[in-house]
Amino acid sequence: QSALTQPASVSGSPGQSITISCTGTDNDIGGYIYVSWYQQHPGKAPKLMIYDIFNRPSGVSDRFSGSKSGSTASLTISGLQAEDEADYYCSAYTSVDTLIFGGGTRLTVL
Amino acid sequence: EVQLVESGGRVIRPGGSLRLSCAASGFTFDNYVMTWVRQVPGKGLEWVSAINWNGGVTGYGDSVKGRFTISRDNAKNSVYLQMDSLRAEDTAFYYCARSRRAHSSGWYNFDHWGQGILVTVSS
Repeated sequence: QSALTQPASVSGSPGQSITISCTGTDNDIGGYIYVSWYQQHPGKAPKLMIYDIFNRPSGVSDRFSGSKSGSTASLTISGLQAEDEADYYCSAYTSVDTLIFGGGTRLTVL
Repeated sequence: EVQLVESGGRVIRPGGSLRLSCAASGFTFDNYVMTWVRQVPGKGLEWVSAINWNGGVTGYGDSVKGRFTISRDNAKNSVYLQMDSLRAEDTAFYYCARSRRAHSSGWYNFDHWGQGILVTVSS
């Protein structure tokens, strides 16, 4: 099963908002609520930022929000901060009982 | 505090076998789905395998199905990944992670991760 499609990179200035897209199919993103987003800083383990399309785990800033339309999910980060610079990965549960990740998006805060 | 500590990574020749372990603490281990995710250095995340609370249900990614076996020992608060017929493309950091929700019915999202362990498959 192919990975979900994410842009390789996005950038924004401090205080701005950015959106990262994640495109799949009806057999993954389009078929279930189990879409998640992870943040990964260099040399660190991934951190869950959004689960079940739009929910934030305790402790995650409300500057992070998630949404879904059809087979495309999105992560929006508002009020960009330098500490947001990281790699972001989407993931989705699939119809064949597996989990797939997107290829990852490198966020640069200018 | 939830802690996950992976061990067992090393350099191994192609065709060889290796077992990774993940020791868990700080939570009721047998309430949670556990998973392994790998990452080739400098590349993206790839889901490898997951196991339900009692080991009765498992899942695998296509690239490892038939070669890797996940298991758990709830008495030892540990999850394992037996890797057979290793290939150069299995070289990666391997992370174990815990499902976000206790008593989850599947492998959907993961809120605690280990630090990762490097497996290098090379002759």
